This record gives sequence, C-alpha cells and structure tokens, in this order.
Amino acid sequence: RKEVEQDPGPFNVPEGATVAFNCTYSNSASQSFFWYRQDCRKEPKLLMSVYSSGNEDGRFTAQLNRASQYISLLIRDSKLSDSATYLCVVNPNDYKLSFGAGTTVTVRA
Amino acid sequence: GAVVSQHPSWVICKSGTSVKIECRSLDFQATTMFWYRQFPKQSLMLMATSNEGSKATYEQGVEKDKFLINHASLTLSTLTVTSAHPEDSSFYICSARVRGYYEQYFGPGTRLTVT
Repeated sequence: RKEVEQDPGPFNVPEGATVAFNCTYSNSASQSFFWYRQDCRKEPKLLMSVYSSGNEDGRFTAQLNRASQYISLLIRDSKLSDSATYLCVVNPNDYKLSFGAGTTVTVRA
Repeated sequence: GAVVSQHPSWVICKSGTSVKIECRSLDFQATTMFWYRQFPKQSLMLMATSNEGSKATYEQGVEKDKFLINHASLTLSTLTVTSAHPEDSSFYICSARVRGYYEQYFGPGTRLTVT
C-alpha cells in the first residue's frame, strides 16, 4: 500500500466553482501534513500546512481527520490560476516527507 | 524568504559522462537537504537526505556510488550523476529544511536528458 494516496482526477471545473478532494495516508504516526502545488514541469511549492483543527488560507481550506487518516483540500471561487496538480504531503517520521502522486485540477473560463 | 536555487535548470549529456547539479539555499541555512527524482506523471521519489558535514543517507534502491552527494556547507549541496545512462533521464529536484521545521522548500529542478 502506498504511504499517501490521492484521487488523480482530473477535476475540471468552471471559474467560480468550488472543488474539493481528499488524500489518505497509511502511517498513523504521521505528525505533519501539507498541501503543495505543482505546476507543469515546475517544482512543488508549499500551499499550506494542515493543522489538526483545520485551517483556512483565503480561498483554500484544509481539514485533517486523524481517525480516518485522510486530509482534504477545498478551493472556493476557483480561478484560472488555480489550475495545477495538488500534492498531498505527509511527514511520517522526523524529517522525511511522503508525497502523493497528485490531484490535477483544471479551471476553465 | 526560503528561496532555494538549483543549477543547471536543464542539461543534456552523452551516455557515460557525469553531471553535477548544485542546490543552494539563498536566504536561510539549511540543516538538511533532500534530493528527489520525478518521472513524468509520477510522484516525487526521495533519493537521499544530506546533512551538512556528514554522509548522505540513501533510500533503498538508490546507488550511492552512482549518485554522489556532497553537503559541504549549510547553504550548498551537490548531486553528481556518474556514468549517466538514458534511464537516468529525469527531473531532479532538491529541497531544504531548517532545523525544527518540517516544511521543505524546493529548488526549481534540473531536467536531465542523457542521450
């Protein structure tokens, strides 16, 4: 079983729509969780850290469910510039990160 | 803040030659740097972890004699792909973290093509 699994999508949504997707992780001892964004042929960029109480950053909301071992990301009022691959990232031990394969989101005009 | 540079951004080399990739943290001291490889439509795969002044720790299946890592200072790590083969063609990305924080900040990546 992969350490981090994501629905690859693609999620194709119109501008202004809300889109949400999850990822699951296998290591229950994982302590830190992140969403990174990766544009085509570019490096991943940190979008937000995910806190146990859930957190919001502008149009982006992340939730963590430790009991079910999943993390979610919700994007409100989607913009064309939100089109990217979103990587679910988990810290299963002291310093390493495990990456999901990514969820592709395409926002159309 | 937290800017990581990588050089070169792309390189084409002939089979059998060696290629060195540099990774620098520009505005912070990186206690740990990581090297990843990413094939098309796949997730990032960690190759090795390097701490300043000590030997790198390689992931299972990664040949340490083929992928030489040097982390000479808190701002510079290098990856040398020795005797490159076409199957080594990939997107190599470094990242860096600061002690006490889990977030990693990524360099822009190096696209290696071995002909």
